[in-house]
Amino acid sequence: SAVISQKPSRDICQRGTSLTIQCQVDSQVTMMFWYRQQPGQSLTLIATANQGSEATYESGFVIDKFPISRPNLTFSTLTVSNMSPEDSSIYLCSASGSDTGELFFGEGSRLTVL
Amino acid sequence: GQNIDQPTEMTATEGAIVQINCTYQTSGFNGLFWYQQHAGEAPTFLSYNVLDGLEEKGRFSSFLSRSKGYSYLLLKELQMKDSASYLCAVLDSNYQLIWGAGTKLIIKP
Repeated sequence: SAVISQKPSRDICQRGTSLTIQCQVDSQVTMMFWYRQQPGQSLTLIATANQGSEATYESGFVIDKFPISRPNLTFSTLTVSNMSPEDSSIYLCSASGSDTGELFFGEGSRLTVL
Repeated sequence: GQNIDQPTEMTATEGAIVQINCTYQTSGFNGLFWYQQHAGEAPTFLSYNVLDGLEEKGRFSSFLSRSKGYSYLLLKELQMKDSASYLCAVLDSNYQLIWGAGTKLIIKP
């Protein structure tokens, strides 16, 4: 298993600003992902964080809005840029190190954009 | 398109048994997961099925029928702490996880 720490756990941000969320895994993992979860809804994959190279983004998400870094196997950041109230959501870091694809999740970062 | 269907909400009584169903249509299949998510918390792994049949783990069991594109999560001896959302997710042929919207389970005394 893997323990994933995310920070900040929550934040209230002003429209037009940017916020970076950090994700630290306690062991080396092969895959790291960033998800978004609107209240009462399921998980939406934003991107796969690739070590040492550009992240792989899902349809509807772009690098300019959600730049992602992954400098090593245990750490990644997600930035939510030029925020608007529509970006208010929970952002979850997850990681997988097993062949079965089992995911472990961080506790999430709850962002509120005013 | 790819689709995961599960009921939006279910209610059950403490001490009883509840079955949460999940049907899926995906491009390929490399396994099905069930996750539990308490309100305001991250999802936690419950089970993984890749072969047909029933997998039992304590009070929780998960069943898979690949030919029917169907799974269920069975929770026995329900406790109040089982009140949570239960997410079904399928790993498709590209090893991407397709998530259902989750079933909110409400346990009443």
